[in-house]
Amino acid sequence: DQQVKQNSPSLSVQEGRISILNCDYTNSMFDYFLWYKKYPAEGPTFLISISSIKDKNEDGRFTVFLNKSAKHLSLHIVPSQPGDSAVYFCAASPTGNQFYFGTGTSLTVIP
Amino acid sequence: EAGVTQSPTHLIKTRGQQATLRCSPISGHTSVYWYQQALGLGLQFLLWYDEGEERNRGNFPPRFSGRQFPNYSSELNVNALELEDSALYLCASSRETNSNQPQHFGDGTRLSIL
Repeated sequence: DQQVKQNSPSLSVQEGRISILNCDYTNSMFDYFLWYKKYPAEGPTFLISISSIKDKNEDGRFTVFLNKSAKHLSLHIVPSQPGDSAVYFCAASPTGNQFYFGTGTSLTVIP
Repeated sequence: EAGVTQSPTHLIKTRGQQATLRCSPISGHTSVYWYQQALGLGLQFLLWYDEGEERNRGNFPPRFSGRQFPNYSSELNVNALELEDSALYLCASSRETNSNQPQHFGDGTRLSIL
């Protein structure tokens, strides 16, 4: 049973525009969330995190929003750059240790 | 600071053989996690080691096992290999348990079963 879902396998965005990647979860005990970026032949790279006491966390061009009542989080990238083209994974944990990952969304930023 | 390192990069085995994958965590990190990423799937949690002890395991058969050494490096062993074990195996480390710390990943070992 997939407790973390990324329902969009792929997303294409023009350079300079906003990219919005979505993630839904089912377990109300999840209270710590991460986003990772993965290039081919490399391991996932940590991007940004958010804990359940917040509804927004910002780091440069990356902002993560958390809607606990909807069990939904999203990653906004503004402005999108061609180097952002990668697979993005969201992950959630009830304890900060064992994480449940989504299946990923492949982002293509078109120059 | 060196990142998480995994070896080998690629490993080719045949059905029934045994595979050993290795991971060195970031210096100062005591927790090591193993994940399997099969084709088209997300990362599936395999095992978590901390301070030399297995803390939790995912929904995988007992032929998946491992250990953590005193220097916090870790091995993942897969016995009686099956075709469906073909996947990317990722190791991650984090600084401490019971706190919200991101996990940092290595580049993985690609295991192919022929």
